[in-house]
This record gives sequence, C-alpha cells and structure tokens, in this order.
Amino acid sequence: QQPVQSPQAVILREGEDAVINCSSSKALYSVHWYRQKHGEAPVFLMILLKGGEQKGHEKISASFNEKKQQSSLYLTASQLSYSGTYFCGTDRSDSGTYKYIFGTGTRLKVLA
Amino acid sequence: DTGVSQDPRHKITKRGQNVTFRCDPISEHNRLYWYRQTLGQGPEFLTYFQNEAQLEKSRLLSDRFSAERPKGSFSTLEIQRTEQGDSAMYLCASSWSRDRFNYGYTFGSGTRLTVV
Repeated sequence: QQPVQSPQAVILREGEDAVINCSSSKALYSVHWYRQKHGEAPVFLMILLKGGEQKGHEKISASFNEKKQQSSLYLTASQLSYSGTYFCGTDRSDSGTYKYIFGTGTRLKVLA
Repeated sequence: DTGVSQDPRHKITKRGQNVTFRCDPISEHNRLYWYRQTLGQGPEFLTYFQNEAQLEKSRLLSDRFSAERPKGSFSTLEIQRTEQGDSAMYLCASSWSRDRFNYGYTFGSGTRLTVV
C-alpha cells in the first residue's frame, strides 16, 4: 500500500505558504520528496534519512517523524515555479527486499 | 555524467506488437528501477535491479513484461503483444543504495508509449 498524501490538491496565490503531508501505514526508513511538472519526469528535491531530521532548500523544507511514520513538506512564500505535482517516496521492505514506492501525490497550483 | 538516459522518448505501436525500451543509468549507481505512470497518477513500481540481479517484480505485471540488465549496466524493458492499456509513460530511475537507504535517486525523461 502506497503512502497517502494530503491534501490531494491545493491552489495558492504567489507568496502564500503550503504544507503537504505524507503518511505511511508501514515503517518509513527514509523519505524523499519530488516535484513533477506536466509531461516531465519527477525531479528530486530532498531526502530525509532519520526521524526528526529536517532539511531545507531555499524556501522549501521538510521534516520526518519516524515514530508517526509521517513526513511533511513546507513551501513558504510560494513562487509560480512551484506549481506541479509533489510526491513523497520511500523505501519499503517486503520479504527482505527493499523497493521504492511513491505516495499518492499532491497537485499544487500557484497563481499570480 | 549525463544522468539517466532513456530511449526512445516516444513510441507509437499497433496493438499486438512487441516493444523494447532502453535505460542507461548513472554509472556510479547500483540500483535501477522501472516505473509506469499514467496521467494524473504517481509512478507505479514495476521492477528493480541491484547490479545485474532482478530483485523484485511487481505482481501487477503480467507475463508480457520482461526486464533485463545484462552486466549490471543498461537495462531493457520489453512488452510483448501490447494492449491499449499499456499506453503510459515508462520511467527509469537509478540510485546509489546501501542496505535500506537510497541516496541520489535520479529519473530519466521517460518513454511515452501509445498503443493504437
């Protein structure tokens, strides 16, 4: 079962903030965040490797709560270029092998 | 290094034909993944390799799908007797992984398959 993201979609005005959540029913060993623009491949944003870790890149940051099996992506002072679909990704252990799966996605639209 | 390369970028084929896609990963990466993505959905896991070993194949895949990674370098994904439901973007990704952690996960630009 893939991680569930919320909200499914969000519309912002330029300069507004947004939070995207990623929740898993199974243990999360690491969390990656990606942004995908229409017709393009997903682009890696950042990786969080351990619980409590927080990372940031310019005005995009993320946190990882290993105990709650959750991660959140924070976008502050959004820009038009932030529009796209955001996915969390995680390694999932099934029968001893690790496969990488993606969350359900969150569509973000930033308006001028 | 030019990143992950996929070929072709687009493929239109008639139903029932076989198609083969190629992926060249980042040379330092030891894992290679194939995903399928349809419009509005996230990438769906198909299979992955650790070096040349195919470690897992999605139960969603029928026997018409096969993937290889000879010598642990490039990989090919073949779809036999294509069906209209196979129309999708096929994404390849590679990563450097150790134990349970993925580092440096990179996608290729994808191959868009249209079955008519």
